[in-house]
Amino acid sequence: AQSVTQLGSHVSVSEGALVLLRCNYSSSVPPYLFWYVQYPNQGLQLLLKYTTGATLVKGINGFEAEFKKSETSFHLTKPSAHMSDAAEYFCAVTLAAGNKLTFGGGTRVLVKP
Amino acid sequence: AAGVIQSPRHLIKEKRETATLKCYPIPRHDTVYWYQQGPGQDPQFLISFYEKMQSDKGSIPDRFSAQQFSDYHSELNMSSLELGDSALYFCASSWGGGDNSPLHFGNGTRLTVT
Repeated sequence: AQSVTQLGSHVSVSEGALVLLRCNYSSSVPPYLFWYVQYPNQGLQLLLKYTTGATLVKGINGFEAEFKKSETSFHLTKPSAHMSDAAEYFCAVTLAAGNKLTFGGGTRVLVKP
Repeated sequence: AAGVIQSPRHLIKEKRETATLKCYPIPRHDTVYWYQQGPGQDPQFLISFYEKMQSDKGSIPDRFSAQQFSDYHSELNMSSLELGDSALYFCASSWGGGDNSPLHFGNGTRLTVT
């Protein structure tokens, strides 16, 4: 079985500041890890994914995440927050490509001007 | 690029009524997933289909059923609706044969049960 824990249900950052969203996973086998963003009343949009290979993955909108097996983490970062980054972010894990995703509880990001 | 299409976008039903939600996956995607997202909650997996066969089942109530048709679209049928069924229902699709095929989500159907 797999699970995901996102630390912090709400994060507030100033425009231009670093965005750091924490995600830790539990998995009995090497996982596939994803970050999705959800804007109000919209669906989930894939930001980035880790399957195999390079542990630092770059996604859309300037986001990136690093897979750290020793820490069982997959934290999401963006060097400089933009007002348009205000949304809810979900970390998700699956044990195999195409299998169902298990989501973390989500982190709502508020960007202050 | 074509995305996952869900219809309707909004649906209002009364208790004990039935509802049917439809999902049209991205062309050539053969796997469909249904998720339920309650207010302020993370999406919870309901059920999935691969090549028109049920492939996995999550926390789907017995009052709900789903199927995938020959054109790969899927329908989620919900009967004896309860107030607690009010939620955003997402459909996602992927290509089951690819190691790097993530799930692509539709914009969801917001169901309100009154």
